[in-house]
Amino acid sequence: DGGITQSPKYLFRKEGQNVTLSCEQNLNHDAMYWYRQDPGQGLRLIYYSQIVNDFQKGDIAEGYSVSREKKESFPLTVTSAQKNPTAFYLCASSKSLQGRLVSGANVLTFGAGSRLTVL
Amino acid sequence: RKEVEQDPGPFNVPEGATVAFNCTYSNSASQSFFWYRQDCRKEPKLLMSVYSSGNEDGRFTAQLNRASQYISLLIRDSKLSDSATYLCVVRKNAGNMLTFGGGTRLMVKP
Repeated sequence: DGGITQSPKYLFRKEGQNVTLSCEQNLNHDAMYWYRQDPGQGLRLIYYSQIVNDFQKGDIAEGYSVSREKKESFPLTVTSAQKNPTAFYLCASSKSLQGRLVSGANVLTFGAGSRLTVL
Repeated sequence: RKEVEQDPGPFNVPEGATVAFNCTYSNSASQSFFWYRQDCRKEPKLLMSVYSSGNEDGRFTAQLNRASQYISLLIRDSKLSDSATYLCVVRKNAGNMLTFGGGTRLMVKP
């Protein structure tokens, strides 16, 4: 079955350490995204990528880094520069047709999430 | 003002009740609207898109009011399994970026 796989599901980190969250999709989607969700709040966009070897900052990119070396993979690194990294991190993907609005193309499919706790 | 605003709730309703949520958005040029459902500690999943003429999917009805810049979700004959957080999502008019509301929590009681 096609889908998005995130790992690890739970991660504990000491202050000052970098951690990398994995996101893999086999949906053949061009676009991939990373969101952060804090308790009782909506999702906020960290980074997104429309095609391989290209990515853009979202609304809260500071303290995070990404890479998109393969279409299927979009790992997120939470660096020590991120002041408040404890959160629920969600990876998502969607079909992407540049310059056109096609029904269904904008629907996001999410991974199960990674819950990061800084000790 | 937040781009997408929702009443966080919780809305506590008995089984069988009809419940409605509203969501307001600030960008008048927004083009696409969705409702996502998120169960506790799980990922959001698409519930339904919202079309200009309004649309229905079983017990769920979504409406869009562009003049007042809000969308609504109506749930009829509530089930215990409807208990979740409902996220209002609005697509900006450039690229494929979506803006999420903070969610409205619904709790359906026996």
